[in-house]
Amino acid sequence: QVQLQESGPGLVKPSQTLSLTCTVSGGSISSGSYYWSWIRQPAGKGLEWIGRIYTSGSTNYNPSLKSRVTVSIDTSKNQFSLKLSSVTAADTAVYYCARDPRGVMLDVWGQGTTVTVSS
Amino acid sequence: QSALTQPASVSGSPGQSITISCTGTSSDVGDYNYVSWYQQHPGKAPKLMIYDVSNRPSGVSNRFSGSKSGNTASLTISGLQAEDEADYYCSSYTTSSTRVFGGGTKLTVL
Repeated sequence: QVQLQESGPGLVKPSQTLSLTCTVSGGSISSGSYYWSWIRQPAGKGLEWIGRIYTSGSTNYNPSLKSRVTVSIDTSKNQFSLKLSSVTAADTAVYYCARDPRGVMLDVWGQGTTVTVSS
Repeated sequence: QSALTQPASVSGSPGQSITISCTGTSSDVGDYNYVSWYQQHPGKAPKLMIYDVSNRPSGVSNRFSGSKSGNTASLTISGLQAEDEADYYCSSYTTSSTRVFGGGTKLTVL
């Protein structure tokens, strides 16, 4: 079955760019009507949707983060990625990647990766 | 976009039923039948429990059910079990082609 795994630096300095990659295994990232999403969760708080990408490359972003977020896809590597610029301590969170069938549900999740923004 | 509104906490005894509400607007919950619900145990990734308002993914117990009326969706868990104790989040597709989550509800099984 399809599995997702996040990877990237666990510590990012303020004002820098957070970069994470989600590797999809057990299936092709290009198959089916799937979007691929990023979600984050600050410690002790709720889930926040960040954005998603379709295999065609079309994207949708959370309006509150749109100016700082870029989601991209590399079908040759079966990966999609997140870049969040100008980070502050408020961006410290567990970041999850997830599969998004039809753009309306999140049915497979990665285990999450913790990113701390600190100097 | 504003977060969907959920009660901060609900509780129930084993065997009882509980319902968690999720209130949005005509730009999300009220406009689409694309409400989903997620269960999250401490330190774990969320798990899809309900999609398209009332559909259960394969492997999810039929004790979990979903419904919607107007701008409010609901998750009902019947025959509460200790393992159901977790945080629950609703989510909806929006008219802006984005996604919005609820603030989450902590379910305590007494």
